[in-house]
Amino acid sequence: DVKVTQSSRYLVKRTGEKVFLECVQDMDHENMFWYRQDPGLGLRLIYFSYDVKMKEKGDIPEGYSVSREKKERFSLILESASTNQTSMYLCASSLADRGLNFEQYFGPGTRLTVT
Amino acid sequence: GESVGLHLPTLSVQEGDNSIINCAYSNSASDYFIWYKQESGKGPQFIIDIRSNMDKRQGQRVTVLLNKTVKHLSLQIAATQPGDSAVYFCAEASGGYNKLIFGAGTRLAVHP
Repeated sequence: DVKVTQSSRYLVKRTGEKVFLECVQDMDHENMFWYRQDPGLGLRLIYFSYDVKMKEKGDIPEGYSVSREKKERFSLILESASTNQTSMYLCASSLADRGLNFEQYFGPGTRLTVT
Repeated sequence: GESVGLHLPTLSVQEGDNSIINCAYSNSASDYFIWYKQESGKGPQFIIDIRSNMDKRQGQRVTVLLNKTVKHLSLQIAATQPGDSAVYFCAEASGGYNKLIFGAGTRLAVHP
C-alpha cells in the first residue's frame, strides 16, 4: 500500500514564525502536491513537484514556498506565518504515467493554527 | 474534531437507502474524473474514477455516471451504510503532471 506521512497532525504557531511542514511518501512517486483545505472551498493546490528539485506554483502559492531535495520528501514552508494561513494542509503523491492514472494518494493532514 | 465541511451541502439518507451525490465540473476539456471520500480526521481516499470516453463505471456498491453534454458527474452508493458517512469530493483532471481540480465537497450523513 502507498503510504504518505506528514510530520505533524496538529501544529500551533505564532504570527511571524517560519513553519515547516514535512511530507514523505514510500512508493517512489514522481509527483508530489501540497493542498490546503478550508470549509466550503474544497482542496486548493499550493505547489506541486514533478521531480527532484522541480516545483510549480499551484493556484494559491502566495506566502508559501516548497523544497524537494529527495524524491520521497516534499516540504512546505511558510516563511512568515499569518493568521489567514490557519488551515488543514494535505500532502499527496502520484505516479507520472503520462495521463493513464491520475490518482493521488493523500496523507492524513496537518491542522495548523496560527495565533 | 475536524472543522472540514462546516459549510458544505449535506445529503442525509437512511441506512439501506441508495445515495446520489452530484457534481458539476467546469472544464469541457477535462478527460478524467475521480471521486474521493474523506472521513473525519483523515486524508481523502480514492473511491472510483472514470475517463471521458466512458459514461458509466461501476465498483463495489458505487457507480459513477458522467454526462459530458451538461458537464455533470454523479456518484451513486447502493445500500448506504453508517460507514459511508463522510465528505465526498469530485475532481477533474486535464493536461500534464496529474493535476486535479477539486470541487467543494458534499457531506453524506447516514441515519439508522
